[in-house]
Amino acid sequence: NAGVTQTPKFQVLKTGQSMTLQCAQDMNHEYMSWYRQDPGMGLRLIHYSVGAGITDQGEVPNGYNVSRSTTEDFPLRLLSAAPSQTSVYFCASSYSTGGLYEQYFGPGTRLTVT
Amino acid sequence: AQSVAQPEDQVNVAEGNPLTVKCTYSVSGNPYLFWYVQYPNRGLQFLLKYITGDNLVKGSYGFEAEFNKSQTSFHLKKPSALVSDSALYFCAVRESGGSYIPTFGRGTSLIVHP
Repeated sequence: NAGVTQTPKFQVLKTGQSMTLQCAQDMNHEYMSWYRQDPGMGLRLIHYSVGAGITDQGEVPNGYNVSRSTTEDFPLRLLSAAPSQTSVYFCASSYSTGGLYEQYFGPGTRLTVT
Repeated sequence: AQSVAQPEDQVNVAEGNPLTVKCTYSVSGNPYLFWYVQYPNRGLQFLLKYITGDNLVKGSYGFEAEFNKSQTSFHLKKPSALVSDSALYFCAVRESGGSYIPTFGRGTSLIVHP
């Protein structure tokens, strides 16, 4: 299994540009999430999904859009990039093991918005 | 509501000495507790978890964590630190029966000196 994969690894955008961060998992996990990691802020939840066709907002959803058309894929769209969205983005998937929902993380995408 | 605190931004320890990384939590009901490790330029990796039962939980790479209900703590420990243990450590909590989304602490940077 490849686990959770994310592309691209690095990206530089200009303010106002849009782009999609890709996330895929091959473990047939029902649950997927997007986080951003900023220095001193830990991990903050952007959006999450409990299954194909179902998404919901997390702690910091503004400026981001998601969709979940398949179990495997959970892309994150930046609608109009802003410097405040400079961050490292992690995708995670999980499944219920006795209700625990242990998470598996991708390697991350480092995004810089100039 | 669920929350977690990691009171130390950084922990320094000499190689071969015992290490402790602190974590306290708050949930309304019973907690499920997790520790994750992040090596430089990598995603988070699961280390160990507490569900119920024995208060001392053993995990990967020789790490263990002690659950203390009265102090609402879940400190990460290792009897003898290695330089290769240097990384960012995250504590996470979710409430049993609650949302599958855990709440992460801000992370503690562990630096093990040769």
